[in-house]
Amino acid sequence: QVQLQESGPGLVKPSETLSLACTVSGGSISSHYWSWVRQPPGKGLEWIGYVSYSGATNRNPSLKSRVTISVDTSKNQFSLNLSSVTAADTAVYYCARERCRAGDCYGFDYWGQGTLVTVSS
Amino acid sequence: EIVLTQSPGTLSLSPGEGATLSCRASQSVTYNYLAWYQQIPGQAPRLLIYGASSRATGISDRFNGSGSGTDFTLTISRLEPADFAVYYCQQYVSTPYTFGQGTNLEIK
Repeated sequence: QVQLQESGPGLVKPSETLSLACTVSGGSISSHYWSWVRQPPGKGLEWIGYVSYSGATNRNPSLKSRVTISVDTSKNQFSLNLSSVTAADTAVYYCARERCRAGDCYGFDYWGQGTLVTVSS
Repeated sequence: EIVLTQSPGTLSLSPGEGATLSCRASQSVTYNYLAWYQQIPGQAPRLLIYGASSRATGISDRFNGSGSGTDFTLTISRLEPADFAVYYCQQYVSTPYTFGQGTNLEIK
């Protein structure tokens, strides 16, 4: 059974960089696409971006200039850095797997439990 | 960017009834790369439907997805207490991937 687990600080100061990692267990990160999704308190879901096992990335233009997503296949882990954070970046951050095979994709089938990151001084 | 609009915003029903949730896209979702998720408060979203109409592993056949192009529907038959949650549609055919704003299915 594939499991994803987010880790990182729960409190970040304004203007600093939010850094999270997602560790994948029960399966290899060397296939599929790996996404970050966030959800501000009481609001809907926003896709932040993805990384493939090869390191190719795609980011939401609304956050693109501030987002870096990377993968470390040796650790079966991928990471998110979001720079210059403000209170508007306060949210639950989820990592998720987008299952893809032979050019077809099948939605986000595994999710981490989510981690609340609060931006505050 | 493909904008997804879900309706209604809130749906109040009783256990045993059927529910119909709608998701309309601002442009065609090719390959029917449209998914539905269920989110219970305090939990991560759970994939219900992918490819507009294929049920994810372990999902009850009471959940059915249909539609193509710009209009998609999630129907839930014989509502059970565990079904009352927020439901999101998502398109994953073009980036940025986008979600609808959600439909809150609440107990009447």
